[in-house]
Amino acid sequence: AQSVTQPDIHITVSEGASLELRCNYSYGATPYLFWYVQSPGQGLQLLLKYFSGDTLVQGIKGFEAEFKRSQSSFNLRKPSVHWSDAAEYFCAVGARAGGTSYGKLTFGQGTILTVHP
Amino acid sequence: EADIYQTPRYLVIGTGKKITLECSQTMGHDKMYWYQQDPGMELHLIHYSYGVNSTEKGDLSSESTVSRIRTEHFPLTLESARPSHTSQYLCASSPKVGDVSYEQYFGPGTRLTVT
Repeated sequence: AQSVTQPDIHITVSEGASLELRCNYSYGATPYLFWYVQSPGQGLQLLLKYFSGDTLVQGIKGFEAEFKRSQSSFNLRKPSVHWSDAAEYFCAVGARAGGTSYGKLTFGQGTILTVHP
Repeated sequence: EADIYQTPRYLVIGTGKKITLECSQTMGHDKMYWYQQDPGMELHLIHYSYGVNSTEKGDLSSESTVSRIRTEHFPLTLESARPSHTSQYLCASSPKVGDVSYEQYFGPGTRLTVT
């Protein structure tokens, strides 16, 4: 079964500082990988996704993530954080075609990002 | 981007009441999902559907039930609400079965409080 670990429950950064949120996954093959962002009281918004090809993927709002197969990681980065980036961030893994997990996503526990002015 | 709607956004209800949480999407997506999320916690899949008349239980056991009579509509029902059902319920949809691009699009959620 697939699983996702986000080691950092809460991260605090200053506005303008760089950001890296960690995500490690467990899956028997190359998975589909996603990062979502959730503002308080809202649903989840897709930031970016990795299916295949270039291991560095660009997303919305200036975010990027790098898939590293050797480390089973898919860390999210942003070079300069804005106060509006304060939210909770979820990494998710999806199984490729076939099997009972097809089409379903498994989410990590989330990382809460606080941005100081 | 998918348009997916959930009503009500907030619901406070007494123990023993029957409730239905509504979810609709306008993108013609075949796949739809219900997640339960407690504050500050990850999402747990409780129901999913791959098309009309198709419903399956998710990874987290739930006393709720779902139906899928129309492609765009995926309501969740609790026959007798209890305080343990207090949570946020998120609905999501994604493109058709067999489509390689199956990222999920989420509604705004329904925050349910059972007193």
